[in-house]
Amino acid sequence: NAGVMQNPRHLVRRRGQEARLRCSPMKGHSHVYWYRQLPEEGLKFMVYLQKENIIDESGMPKERFSAEFPKEGPSILRIQQVVRGDSAAYFCASSRGSRDRDLLIGEKLFFGSGTQLSVL
Amino acid sequence: KNEVEQSPQNLTAQEGEFITINCSYSVGISALHWLQQHPGGGIVSLFMLSSGKKKHGRLIATINIQEKHSSLHITASHPRDSAVYICAVRQYSVNYGGSQGNLIFGKGTKLSVKP
Repeated sequence: NAGVMQNPRHLVRRRGQEARLRCSPMKGHSHVYWYRQLPEEGLKFMVYLQKENIIDESGMPKERFSAEFPKEGPSILRIQQVVRGDSAAYFCASSRGSRDRDLLIGEKLFFGSGTQLSVL
Repeated sequence: KNEVEQSPQNLTAQEGEFITINCSYSVGISALHWLQQHPGGGIVSLFMLSSGKKKHGRLIATINIQEKHSSLHITASHPRDSAVYICAVRQYSVNYGGSQGNLIFGKGTKLSVKP
């Protein structure tokens, strides 16, 4: 019963290139969340997705960043034209999801091991 | 001032000591998480609380909603407990779909337990 899988574990990009980070949620989980951890800073929420829908992207930078969670396949966080300031650890988490509000509030999150993005 | 404050920032303990990490927050919340981040970077969810107290093995988490404060206790600490412990809150929102997973994180408490 695999946990949340993120790949690659480490990603090196030159300024101006594109970075694609992948997250496969736990089996049976339909909710995915992306977080960023900048060096010497705490984690910050980026985006919350359900299958084929972006539910909350209030933490996403307005430009160059996008996320998707297609019907089939992993969730992808895409960063276009990367800059040095994008260097960070990017974590994905998943949860089962529920239509019931109380159950949804009570949902536990399961985290992946993260992708360390380094921009040269 | 950060919406989620943790103390202490760094903590060094001897094996066997009782450890307390504190978390204070300034927003209305629907849930509070305690997370453990290992030296390799991986994150594990330890507890999710909305009231009262939870216990798992040597770990105990408590929350006081009125005082907007939570504590994480580790009894009989061990060097393998060395990690960064992170408090995160889910801000209350009438739009439950929008608030789910939108956590506000503390900066973490770095714990080192010496043998």
